[in-house]
Amino acid sequence: GAGVSQSPSNKVTEKGKDVELRCDPISGHTALYWYRQSLGQGLEFLIYFQGNSAPDKSGLPSDRFSAERTGGSVSTLTIQRTQQEDSAVYLCASSLASQNNQPQHFGDGTRLSIL
Amino acid sequence: QKEVEQNSGPLSVPEGAIASLNCTYSDRGSQSFFWYRQYSGKSPELIMFIYSNGDKEDGRFTAQLNKASQYVSLLIRDSQPSDSATYLCAVNTNQGGKLIFGQGTELSVKP
Repeated sequence: GAGVSQSPSNKVTEKGKDVELRCDPISGHTALYWYRQSLGQGLEFLIYFQGNSAPDKSGLPSDRFSAERTGGSVSTLTIQRTQQEDSAVYLCASSLASQNNQPQHFGDGTRLSIL
Repeated sequence: QKEVEQNSGPLSVPEGAIASLNCTYSDRGSQSFFWYRQYSGKSPELIMFIYSNGDKEDGRFTAQLNKASQYVSLLIRDSQPSDSATYLCAVNTNQGGKLIFGQGTELSVKP
């Protein structure tokens, strides 16, 4: 079946612009996660959703970052007033539920470059 | 101390040898442990997960978990050049589904 789908695959934008990244999880997966991977850095947790609720937003780096999920499916991650340090690969993952024993499956990511 | 630690490598092994990748974690309450493989420029791909102490085998891969020592490892038998990638250890620390990742170990399998 279809895996986690992310769009766009690449995004280049100017500093100060807003960007919106989209994630479509595996069908039937109720939990959805956003991570960020910067050059030379490990994978960094940002936020996760169980259904439409976000029990843990602790990884969002600043109030310029926000995410929502509607209909228990697609999620969007929005970065306002982008800065150069926001350049990274943004990865989305989904799992059957948010219990700790559920494996997470990743999409191909969105490579974000801020000029 | 980082929450999840791995040797960054690179770890170089000859084709056909056993590659041993190690990971330690700091949260003693951690319950679930995952190994992901990441090829350069690609996203992480789940290859193994383990929840109980001991060994879990899947084909050429064996995951080993020792909760008392807070240690998890991945063995790759009969290593192939196609196994050359960065291997990420990830730990669920009972904070919902959030995973904490190590920095990854780069593995190079030489023909």
